[in-house]
Amino acid sequence: EPEVTQTPSHQVTQMGQEVILRCVPISNHLYFYWYRQILGQKVEFLVSFYNNEISEKSEIFDDQFSVERPDGSNFTLKIRSTKLEDSAMYFCASSEWGSNQPQHFGDGTRLSIL
Amino acid sequence: SQQGEEDPQALSIQEGENATMNCSYKTSINNLQWYRQNSGRGLVHLILIRSNEREKHSGRLRVTLDTSKKSSSLLITASRAADTASYFCATGNFGNEKLTFGTGTRLTIIP
Repeated sequence: EPEVTQTPSHQVTQMGQEVILRCVPISNHLYFYWYRQILGQKVEFLVSFYNNEISEKSEIFDDQFSVERPDGSNFTLKIRSTKLEDSAMYFCASSEWGSNQPQHFGDGTRLSIL
Repeated sequence: SQQGEEDPQALSIQEGENATMNCSYKTSINNLQWYRQNSGRGLVHLILIRSNEREKHSGRLRVTLDTSKKSSSLLITASRAADTASYFCATGNFGNEKLTFGTGTRLTIIP
């Protein structure tokens, strides 16, 4: 069964450094998402992406965050200048269409900011 | 309460018993989805129920939705040790694609 893959599984970065998290969504899916889960807390929506542009973003997704689909398969989340509070699990998801569709999640990248 | 709150927060049952988890939400929804998360892993989609549906089945899973009470339940019948995981409800609203997740129920199946 097709699945969403994320790399790396664990990223350790110094505060203030830039980090790029990578995702390969399911190939025939058109909508892509990033969520994060701080340890012990809810899964929180960050951003959705369709047709090469952001379709929706949350208040968390401020100017230090950006997303890109650099080629036909990868979907990336960049955090420009990491802060301690960015430490979390970051999940990528994709869906065939937008609303009213199951979203398929990757196993996540654990981001640790030192 | 916040959009998407599950109860109980934790549930331990014997293998073979049925497990019921509940989810309440506050705003109108387009759909409600249930996900499973094994420790340290991603979210696995279990079932989606649309706002005009009242009940849905998938294998040993049964989901109900009561939009008048803004609540949903997930029933897992004949539980197995492999069902041990956290279970989350997530709501989808009209006009956008994002999911709003609940706080989750930690289910432990005792062999």
